[in-house]
Amino acid sequence: DIQMTQSPSSLSAAVGDRVTVTCRASQNIRTFLNWFQQKPGKAPKLLIYGASILHSGAPSRFSGSGSGTDFTLTITSLQPEDSATYFCQQSLTVPSVTFGQGTRLEIK
Amino acid sequence: EVELVESGGHLVRPGGSLRLSCRASNFTFSDYAMDWVRQAPGKGLEWISSISSRGSHTYYTDSVRGRFIISRDNGKNSLDLQMNSLTADDMGVYFCARGNLGDPTIQGYALDKWGLGILVTVS
Repeated sequence: DIQMTQSPSSLSAAVGDRVTVTCRASQNIRTFLNWFQQKPGKAPKLLIYGASILHSGAPSRFSGSGSGTDFTLTITSLQPEDSATYFCQQSLTVPSVTFGQGTRLEIK
Repeated sequence: EVELVESGGHLVRPGGSLRLSCRASNFTFSDYAMDWVRQAPGKGLEWISSISSRGSHTYYTDSVRGRFIISRDNGKNSLDLQMNSLTADDMGVYFCARGNLGDPTIQGYALDKWGLGILVTVS
């Protein structure tokens, strides 16, 4: 199985900050990488697919980059509603996909 | 707006069985593959099973193959997960999710809509 490792596991940032979350795959997954946002008690939401394509309805302050084994989710100008846990997920070996362990983002 | 609503979760004894259902609305259900994903308490997300848009192909993670059965009724816009021989490792919140394609084996397949999830407790 492809292992997905996210860092950091948690972080705290202020409104207006630029935030970066990284995800590393245990092997080359090209650009088959998705990012999800999950708020407590809510359904996960797809933010980014194909490593860098913004999903319909996701705010434009979210962006993704990377290919191969190293990927980044960036939030520019952090908003209070961005407080959530963010997961990466590889979609190379569909349907058997694997997720990162999550990054909890807290707003100061 | 696309809606996915899970039901059927409750407390079950180890070795017992449970059937989860997911009711879909506001999209053409028969056009999309569907998945079940679970989240153990305090843990990350784990893919469990997928079914193609017509229900002709099903897929399972190793830990549930032979115990769980995914099925769908396109006439009723519903997705089911029959879970047998349950253990404590099966405990968690189970999410129903829609894929962005009819075939979940196409690279780049993504889960673009999710339900709120339903809790399964094994104790």
